[in-house]
Amino acid sequence: GAGVSQTPSNKVTEKGKYVELRCDPISGHTALYWYRQSLGQGPEFLIYFQGTGAADDSGLPNDRFFAVRPEGSVSTLKIQRTERGDSAVYLCASSTDRNTEAFFGQGTRLTVV
Amino acid sequence: AQRVTQPEKLLSVFKGAPVELKCNYSYSGSPELFWYVQYSRQRLQLLLRHISRESIKGFTADLNKGETSFHLKKPFAQEEDSAMYYCALSGAGGGNKLTFGTGTQLKVEL
Repeated sequence: GAGVSQTPSNKVTEKGKYVELRCDPISGHTALYWYRQSLGQGPEFLIYFQGTGAADDSGLPNDRFFAVRPEGSVSTLKIQRTERGDSAVYLCASSTDRNTEAFFGQGTRLTVV
Repeated sequence: AQRVTQPEKLLSVFKGAPVELKCNYSYSGSPELFWYVQYSRQRLQLLLRHISRESIKGFTADLNKGETSFHLKKPFAQEEDSAMYYCALSGAGGGNKLTFGTGTQLKVEL
C-alpha cells in the first residue's frame, strides 16, 4: 500500500511569503506528526495530531507556524512570513496510534531565498 | 530537558568488521529509546526500539541506564549497512514524540 505522501517534494519561496506543506498519512492512521530537519541535524519535533486535534504543539517555534488536520486525515503545515532560517526538510510521519511504529514521508525540502 | 548525543558524525569500517554506533542520552525519567535508519535516497525508517528487544538486520542495542547509553552494535558489517543512523528518545507518555540525535553516517568499505 501507499506510504506517507508529502507534497511538494521541493519548495522555493521568497523571504516574507506564505507557504503550505501537505501530508497524506497512511490510511487509517490516527496519529500524525510533523518534524523539521535542518542541515546536519536530526529531525526536531514540531506538532502531533491525534485525529483532528493538535494533541501537542509544543515544538512549533513561533506563531508563524500553524498546522491543521480538519478531517483527521490530510494535514497541512502553514508557515507565514517565511524567513531564511525556516529553510529545512519538513518531515511528516503517521502511526496507527501514538505508541506504534511511526512511518515517515520523504519530506518537503523548503528553501527560503 | 531530554537530549540525545551521537558523538560520531561519520564512522567508517571495513566489510566484516564489528560496528558500534554510540548513543548517549539525558532524561530524568524512564525513556524509550529507538534507532532509526535512512538509506540513500530513502525515507527515515525505524530500525529497532529497546522495548521490543529484537535483533533487526543483525543489529542489536541494549539500554544501559547506568551509563545512559543505547549503543547500536553489529558483529559483522555488510556493505548494505551503509546509511545514516539516528538515535532517538521518547519521554514519559511521549509515544512518537521523539528527540533525535544528530546522526552518524556509517560507511562500510570493501
